[in-house]
Amino acid sequence: QVQLVESGGGLVKPGGSLTLSCAASGFTFSDYYMSWIRQAPGKGLEWVSYIGTSGSPIYYADSVKGRFTISRDNAKKSLYLQMSSLRADDTALYYCARERGNYDFDYWGQGTLVTVSS
Amino acid sequence: QSALTQPPSASGSPGQSVTISCTGTSSDVGGYNYVSWYQQHPGKAPKLMIYDVNKRPSGVPDRFSGSKSGNTAFLTVSGLQAEDEADYYCSSYAGNNILFGGGTKLTVL
Repeated sequence: QVQLVESGGGLVKPGGSLTLSCAASGFTFSDYYMSWIRQAPGKGLEWVSYIGTSGSPIYYADSVKGRFTISRDNAKKSLYLQMSSLRADDTALYYCARERGNYDFDYWGQGTLVTVSS
Repeated sequence: QSALTQPPSASGSPGQSVTISCTGTSSDVGGYNYVSWYQQHPGKAPKLMIYDVNKRPSGVPDRFSGSKSGNTAFLTVSGLQAEDEADYYCSSYAGNNILFGGGTKLTVL
């Protein structure tokens, strides 16, 4: 069965950096576009970034452009999100999600919590 | 990159139908047939309920249906059941960008 397992979240100070990982299993990872989507505590969903099957195309939300970098390793069946210059408003549960076909997401992980606080 | 607009809450009694709206612009909802809807129960990951405006993934009951008119998309839940109580989010492609709505809390009375 399809599984997406995020890791790497934690507490980080404003201005700091963190790298999230997502381990995929149960499907041919290299065949699918992938995204990171976040949800601030008690708030709605916000798409963060998107990566194509071979590492392109790559898109970012304006709120993270220039600060976050998405990447993938198809051999390791893994998706990554490097986050730098973190701000308090980056505090959220970060989900890894598989794109079904047309910019929608049919499988989601359980999320990894990132807290930015001094 | 403004979020899509959803009503914060909706409600209905068991067996009734309820419709949730999702308003965008001609650059997102109105410009593409790439609208999707997600159901999220407390503490759980979102679940895809509708994609491409009106298509249901395998396993989603046919009580859930989607439609679109101009810049507004709709999710209709017919024959409400207790387990339908959840938060619902719409989403739309917006040209190298993906927007979500603010979410609607559906209460089954």
